[in-house]
Amino acid sequence: GDSVTQMEGPVTLSEEAFLTINCTYTATGYPSLFWYVQYPGEGLQLLLKATKADDKGSNKGFEATYRKETTSFHLEKGSVQVSDSAVYFCALSDLRNTGNQFYFGTGTSLTVIP
Amino acid sequence: DGGITQSPKYLFRKEGQNVTLSCEQNLNHDAMYWYRQDPGQGLRLIYYSQIVNDFQKGDIAEGYSVSREKKESFPLTVTSAQKNPTAFYLCASRPWTSYNEQFFGPGTRLTVL
Repeated sequence: GDSVTQMEGPVTLSEEAFLTINCTYTATGYPSLFWYVQYPGEGLQLLLKATKADDKGSNKGFEATYRKETTSFHLEKGSVQVSDSAVYFCALSDLRNTGNQFYFGTGTSLTVIP
Repeated sequence: DGGITQSPKYLFRKEGQNVTLSCEQNLNHDAMYWYRQDPGQGLRLIYYSQIVNDFQKGDIAEGYSVSREKKESFPLTVTSAQKNPTAFYLCASRPWTSYNEQFFGPGTRLTVL
């Protein structure tokens, strides 16, 4: 079945460091891929998404490219800030094969220190 | 201002009591979901509904019940049969015919004493 495997955390970086959080997926069809961010005590917010192979999603300096050949959707940011400290979730949805179900990774906690 | 509301933000109940968590959306979305999140853990699907008067069990439905009598509302009841109900509960919704994302509410933290 469909699934998402996400890099385990926690991750601690200094401000202005480069961030990569790995995400790989398994899907029978052609899923859409998402990155969500969750701040403490809040719900999840969409960070970026890509709906087909080779698409690049980007938002607030974060980027991720949908790589079908490696079944990956790694999240990157060139220079992190303290305000980026949060938990990041990779997710997939395969509307044609599994309907409206979403599959989430286990989340990666990021702490950015000044 | 469209969105998903969950109330209350914090809820306390005594062991053995049923409790109902509210989830309302004014986004005109067809699908709605309930997830449970435990500290340091990912999301686990409890129930989801794709249309009014229809819903499906997720991975951890035991001890929970839902109803979907109106498109905009999807309340979750945590029953006394749920062995460990203390958790953070998240409601989400999504349009049916698109590749769009799920939209999440702010969550309800339930503590059973």
